[in-house]
Amino acid sequence: AQKVTQAQTEISVVEKEDVTLDCVYETRDTTYYLFWYKQPPSGELVFLIRRNSFDEQNEISGRYSWNFQKSTSSFNFTITASQVVDSAVYFCALSGREEGAQKLVFGQGTRLTINP
Amino acid sequence: GAVVSQHPSRVICKSGTSVKIECRSLDFQATTMFWYRQFPKQSLMLMATSNEGSKATYEQGVEKDKFLINHASLTLSTLTVTSAHPEDSSFYICSASGFGYEQYFGPGTRLTVT
Repeated sequence: AQKVTQAQTEISVVEKEDVTLDCVYETRDTTYYLFWYKQPPSGELVFLIRRNSFDEQNEISGRYSWNFQKSTSSFNFTITASQVVDSAVYFCALSGREEGAQKLVFGQGTRLTINP
Repeated sequence: GAVVSQHPSRVICKSGTSVKIECRSLDFQATTMFWYRQFPKQSLMLMATSNEGSKATYEQGVEKDKFLINHASLTLSTLTVTSAHPEDSSFYICSASGFGYEQYFGPGTRLTVT
């Protein structure tokens, strides 16, 4: 079965620090997709990134960057120069044919608190 | 584009009553819709998958007679929580998908059963 593990339940840092959120996944699929979502206190999920299993290039978007390594089945997310507005719960998710195409398996989430 | 709405955003109902939650894809046709439940400080758990015009497929442990899902059109799916009890209080989130892997999430509905 597919599985996503976010070992960090809560992280608290001071503003402007860099922070990395870890995500490790398990799947028997060779074709799959990985996602990161942000869930602010309002509850609405905000899509951050989707990466397919054939694209191992790292991605940077402003202060956000993602490191995808198939060799370690990890898809880590780094926020550079964190800001208070980054405070939220972040979910890593996986979809692939093993669970049925399009079905998302979510990690437990990491609650990130950025202190001023 | 790819906007999904949910209605209502919050609902309080009395134990034993039923409540219906609507999920609409506003600018695309959703062949598949998903319903998730999220308890406080927990992750999203998939409840069921519905394809337009077909019966929903429920995840293990989800009572299909309690959580009625209807996906009658390509833009609307409804979740009805029947005979709600306090333990059904949760945050319910729908998502909609067209013809790709992308799921677009609604803003969620917070259900409180008193």
